[in-house]
Amino acid sequence: NAGVMQNPRHLVRRRGQEARLRCSPMKGHSHVYWYRQLPEEGLKFMVYLQKENIIDESGMPKERFSAEFPKEGPSILRIQQVVRGDSAAYFCASSPRPGGAGTDTQYFGPGTRLTVL
Amino acid sequence: GENVEQHPSTLSVQEGDSAVIKCTYSDSASNYFPWYKQELGKRPQLIIDIRSNVGEKKDQRIAVTLNKTAKHFSLHITETQPEDSAVYFCAAIIQGAQKLVFGQGTRLTINP
Repeated sequence: NAGVMQNPRHLVRRRGQEARLRCSPMKGHSHVYWYRQLPEEGLKFMVYLQKENIIDESGMPKERFSAEFPKEGPSILRIQQVVRGDSAAYFCASSPRPGGAGTDTQYFGPGTRLTVL
Repeated sequence: GENVEQHPSTLSVQEGDSAVIKCTYSDSASNYFPWYKQELGKRPQLIIDIRSNVGEKKDQRIAVTLNKTAKHFSLHITETQPEDSAVYFCAAIIQGAQKLVFGQGTRLTINP
């Protein structure tokens, strides 16, 4: 699971700015998931993507949040006009292609800790 | 949708004793149940998982049991060591849904 990479590891933004979080899945993984963890709480699902497709965005706020996973490059979680309540750790996870053994197993990246001032 | 409840929220045990953390889930269509360990400021790390066609799984000092009828599963850690201190999360996936639904977490402290 050390193969899932996220950057930046720490991000500080002022209210109203944009935050852009990046995730590179493990080699060979084409499923990417984003989760949010508020301080002292569990992880909450936000969005599930495959290359060039959003499969499930049921956990993502309708406004200000968007996600993409382009054909080339990392997955990006974008938060526009950040507010203090957006301060949290954002974790990305990836899993293998469908059809293989262990396709449900999700491996997490180190997270991006977003602080909104 | 799926809901996962985890108990206790905090657990303190003496080094060498066993620790048990329990989770219940609501959706009988859930078929995959991983456990993650998260140390302070670190990523969640998969420590063991179980699928719905299996009742128990062991990996050295760690074991997970699943009772599909009662819709609950448990993590058992034997011969606890100080490095087992962390927050542990259970989770469930509904077949075909792919998203993990997490419990609230258990802060486990091992006292030397």
